[in-house]
Amino acid sequence: IQMTQSPPSLSASVGDRVTITCRTSQAISVSLAWYQQKPGKAPKLLLYAASALGSGVPSRFSGSGSGTDFTLTISSLQPEDSATYYCLHYYLTPNSFGQGTKLEIK
Amino acid sequence: QVQLRQSGAEVKKPGASVTVSCKASGYTFSDSSIHWVRQAPGEGLEWMAWSNPSGATVFAQKFEGRVSVTTDASINTAYLDVSRLTSDDTAIYFCARDTRGFIDFWGQGTLVTVSS
Repeated sequence: IQMTQSPPSLSASVGDRVTITCRTSQAISVSLAWYQQKPGKAPKLLLYAASALGSGVPSRFSGSGSGTDFTLTISSLQPEDSATYYCLHYYLTPNSFGQGTKLEIK
Repeated sequence: QVQLRQSGAEVKKPGASVTVSCKASGYTFSDSSIHWVRQAPGEGLEWMAWSNPSGATVFAQKFEGRVSVTTDASINTAYLDVSRLTSDDTAIYFCARDTRGFIDFWGQGTLVTVSS
C-alpha cells in the first residue's frame, strides 16, 4: 500500500488551524495512525483508528477519514507543536509510513 | 512505566552485520508484537519488519533475506539483525511496541553508522 502525505512542509502561526492529509493507494478502512516526531526524539503516537486520541494527547489534535483519505487537524496551533508528523497504515503487514510533514511555527 | 531500552550506537564496515537489541519493561512482553523502523539522516520513517510472540515475522520486501528479527521472551528482549551492510544502511533503528494492531510506543533508537 502506497502512502501519499501532504504537504511536505508548512509554516503557520500560533492559534492557526492546521490540516495535514494522507492518502492511501487502496482502501484501509480506518486502520491509520498519526505520529509526532521532534528533532532527536523517537516518534510519539497521536491518533489511531483514524480518529481515536492517544493517551495524554491534547484535544486540539483530531483526525478524520476512512477508506483512502485521511486528515490530521490541529485546531489551535501551539509553539510545542513544531515537529514532523507522519501517517502510518496498519491495515496489513507490511505497514508503511507517509513521507512526513514538517510543521514550523512562524 | 513502559520502556523499550535499545542497545548503544554501532559503527560497522561495509559488508559487516549488526545486531540491535530492544529490552522491554513495564508491560507484558508476551502480549505484544514488535515492529522495527529505521530513519536515515534527515529522512523519514521507513517500516522494516514485524514479529509476534508466536514467532511469526513479516518483512518489507526490500529487506527480505538481509534482515532477521528474533525475540527472547525469557528476558523480554527483541533483536534485529541486518547483514551485508552498506552506507545506505546508516540510520537510526527504532523498535516499537504493538499491543492493539498498531505501533503505540517507541524505543529511543540506535544509531548504526556504516563507514569504511
